[in-house]
Amino acid sequence: GQNIDQPTEMTATEGAIVQINCTYQTSGFNGLFWYQQHAGEAPTFLSYNVLDGLEEKGRFSSFLSRSKGYSYLLLKELQMKDSASYLCAVTVRRANNLFFGTGTRLTVIP
Amino acid sequence: GAGVSQSPRYKVAKRGQDVALRCDPISGHVSLFWYQQALGQGPEFLTYFQNEAQLDKSGLPSDRFFAERPEGSVSTLKIQRTQQEDSAVYLCASSPLLQESSYEQYFGPGTRLTVT
Repeated sequence: GQNIDQPTEMTATEGAIVQINCTYQTSGFNGLFWYQQHAGEAPTFLSYNVLDGLEEKGRFSSFLSRSKGYSYLLLKELQMKDSASYLCAVTVRRANNLFFGTGTRLTVIP
Repeated sequence: GAGVSQSPRYKVAKRGQDVALRCDPISGHVSLFWYQQALGQGPEFLTYFQNEAQLDKSGLPSDRFFAERPEGSVSTLKIQRTQQEDSAVYLCASSPLLQESSYEQYFGPGTRLTVT
């Protein structure tokens, strides 16, 4: 099976930077996704990493180290609307579906 | 354009009743997935369709769960003789490409099923 681990909850201050970590142990790792999910809403795509390194997209960046089985999502200039759950998900060879972690619930405080 | 839609958004069923949950994927999307999300957890894979073919149903928790996509567009997830442990949000997702696990999946808002 796939084992994906991320913190359950985090709190950060408006305007600050927060890093959400994800570690994984999988067989046949292919790539890693980050999704954002507001309460009661659909998960929405944030980023995809397949190669080692940092992918930057506006206020959000995602990093992957395949050798360490490690990724992080970096959110800069936090806004109140960033309060949501952040889901780390991996894809593996010979399967088309996403394997999700439990999600990290981020609360942004003034 | 329209995203993935699901109906109903909320469903309350008495234990033992059958339910049917509908998913309308983005037009033209080949791949369709169903996931189950328990409260405070990440989504868990149930089943996968490529057009009308159900290629993977390894995540269906029991033979009470059945899914179909007869014309390769709309899909229905049916749960027979519902149990309390079936209470969860059922998410549908679609993707445009064939067997390309690097392509993002577009999720619907989900159906929240409560079994009493």
